[in-house]
Amino acid sequence: EVQLLESGGGLVQPGGSLRLSCAASGFTFSRYAMSWVRQAPGEGLEWVSTITDSGGTTYNADSVKGRFTISRDNSKNALYLQMNSLRAEDTAVYYCAKPVVGILRGNFDYWGRGTLVTVSS
Amino acid sequence: QSALTQPASVSGSPGQSITISCTGTSSDVGGYNYVSWFQQHPGKAPQLMVYEVSNRPSGVSNRFSGSKSDNTASLTISGLQAEDEADYYCSSFTSSTTLVFGTGTKVSVL
Repeated sequence: EVQLLESGGGLVQPGGSLRLSCAASGFTFSRYAMSWVRQAPGEGLEWVSTITDSGGTTYNADSVKGRFTISRDNSKNALYLQMNSLRAEDTAVYYCAKPVVGILRGNFDYWGRGTLVTVSS
Repeated sequence: QSALTQPASVSGSPGQSITISCTGTSSDVGGYNYVSWFQQHPGKAPQLMVYEVSNRPSGVSNRFSGSKSDNTASLTISGLQAEDEADYYCSSFTSSTTLVFGTGTKVSVL
């Protein structure tokens, strides 16, 4: 059974940093590109970042470019999101998502339960 | 990259069919067959209902179907049921090598 389990969320002050993790199991993690998608309270879904299966290439939304870094460790079946220079507008539930196939096609067939990041003083 | 445009709400009676639209541009929806649709119940993670415009993942009811014409994709739910009441989002690959989601549609079953 495919499982994605996010962790690392919490309360952080504006300008602070946080590192999210996503533990994957039930599938061959190293064969899939992986993504982070977020959802602000009461708002819609927003794509954040995607990383290729090997980790060699990353893609980021303009809203997080230069502040967030996606990475992965295929030996640990783990996906990460390093978030720096956090702003109030980064407050959201952050989901880890696996695609059916390919990259940036948006065909996410498995999602984690999400981890809440709150940026506030 | 602006969000794809969806109607804020759509409603229907049990057994009826409804259609949710997702309008973009030739740089996203119109340019690629990489449109997906997600269903999200309150407090839950999104669930993939349709991908690559019209493909259904295994386990998803055939009451859900997708299509596309020019810059607008559509999700049709036939035989509407109470359990279909949820928020629905579309997404599309873009020419900027990014992914964009729609604004979301709240489906109500009257």
